[in-house]
Amino acid sequence: AQSVTQPDIHITVSEGASLELRCNYSYGATPYLFWYVQSPGQGLQLLLKYFSGDTLVQGIKGFEAEFKRSQSSFNLRKPSVHWSDAAEYFCATPSRGKLIFGQGTELSVKP
Amino acid sequence: NAGVTQTPKFQVLKTGQSMTLQCAQDMNHNSMYWYRQDPGMGLRLIYYSASEGTTDKGEVPNGYNVSRLNKREFSLRLESAAPSQTSVYFCASNRDTSYNSPLHFGNGTRLTVT
Repeated sequence: AQSVTQPDIHITVSEGASLELRCNYSYGATPYLFWYVQSPGQGLQLLLKYFSGDTLVQGIKGFEAEFKRSQSSFNLRKPSVHWSDAAEYFCATPSRGKLIFGQGTELSVKP
Repeated sequence: NAGVTQTPKFQVLKTGQSMTLQCAQDMNHNSMYWYRQDPGMGLRLIYYSASEGTTDKGEVPNGYNVSRLNKREFSLRLESAAPSQTSVYFCASNRDTSYNSPLHFGNGTRLTVT
């Protein structure tokens, strides 16, 4: 079955610095991949998705992600982090018809 | 524009008590889901309903039951709560179970079982 792994439980970056959150997938064929964000006390919101085609995917809130088959990765990036980006981020992939989530990476932003 | 509405927001139960978590969506979605979120575990699927009249088990169904009451509503029942069910529960919906259909989440129910 497909799965995703997020190696980093918690990351802290300074406001204005760049950000990269890691996601590794396990699946032979081209997977479907998603990034969701969860603000404190809220449900999850879709940031972006990758199905096929261009390996660099643009999402909402200035986020992008790059699919790299050679590294089995789908890392989330943002050039300049804002304090409002502090949240938990989840990578996800379908498995047997249902969406399966990674363990999540909590992002803290230092002023 | 309510989206997915969950009630209650918070609940404390004693071991052995029962309760039902309610979820309703106003987006005319066909598919609905219940997830639980625990620290370090991400979200795990409990049950889902691909369409009105159908329900199926997810990864962690033990100790739960669900009812797809109609197209809008999908409830989750704990018949005899256990401390291991202390968690944050999220309801979600989407147009259908195709991968092209993003999930819309409610704001969660925080449940504590003592």
